[in-house]
Amino acid sequence: GAVVSQHPSRVICKSGTSVKIECRSLDFQATTMFWYRQFPKQSLMLMATSNEGSKATYEQGVEKDKFLINHASLTLSTLTVTSAHPEDSSFYICSASSWVWGTRGSDTQYFGPGTRLTVL
Amino acid sequence: GQQVMQIPQYQHVQEGEDFTTYCNSSTTLSNIQWYKQRPGGHPVFLIQLVKSGEVKKQKRLTFQFGEAKKNSSLHITATQTTDVGTYFCAGAFDSSYKLIFGSGTRLLVRP
Repeated sequence: GAVVSQHPSRVICKSGTSVKIECRSLDFQATTMFWYRQFPKQSLMLMATSNEGSKATYEQGVEKDKFLINHASLTLSTLTVTSAHPEDSSFYICSASSWVWGTRGSDTQYFGPGTRLTVL
Repeated sequence: GQQVMQIPQYQHVQEGEDFTTYCNSSTTLSNIQWYKQRPGGHPVFLIQLVKSGEVKKQKRLTFQFGEAKKNSSLHITATQTTDVGTYFCAGAFDSSYKLIFGSGTRLLVRP
């Protein structure tokens, strides 16, 4: 199957700092990348969808100015948590898909290994 | 909004027993996907079901998609300790590009 990497795998930072998380598709072109957040023992909650070369689409309740997403190429998307606070501590997971805007339904998503963010 | 309900939340079985988790949607799905997440790990894609009434097998795992394409199930025969993890269904709808994840079923297997 397709391989998606995520870096870093774990990060601990002080409150008020910004953290950048990278998501890469290693062996296929990801036209669409999804960013999820997962709190302990809970399901995955979609935060935003990013398409290469265009602005990300954020889910309701997700602050676009706080969670900056850039999808610079077909193999790389980044999520920057700006001015992180303890309540932002969570497991952030990206997924990559070859889904194309305008087509019906969805395509298989391949998940990265996740980034565990702890904000002190 | 579109929701995918999944039950049970937890299942604790003796090794060798069977296990089933169920997902249900109030509206018709275009497809449903199943993922497994080991403790401390990330979701790993298991399978995608697209056709009404579809049944697919992967060794001891049997996946079914309902005739109305509103429900699905994952059945594991004779569980093993390696089956431990949380199983998520994720529904896709024609009207949306998103996957809507169920709440997951956490499987614990007693050796």
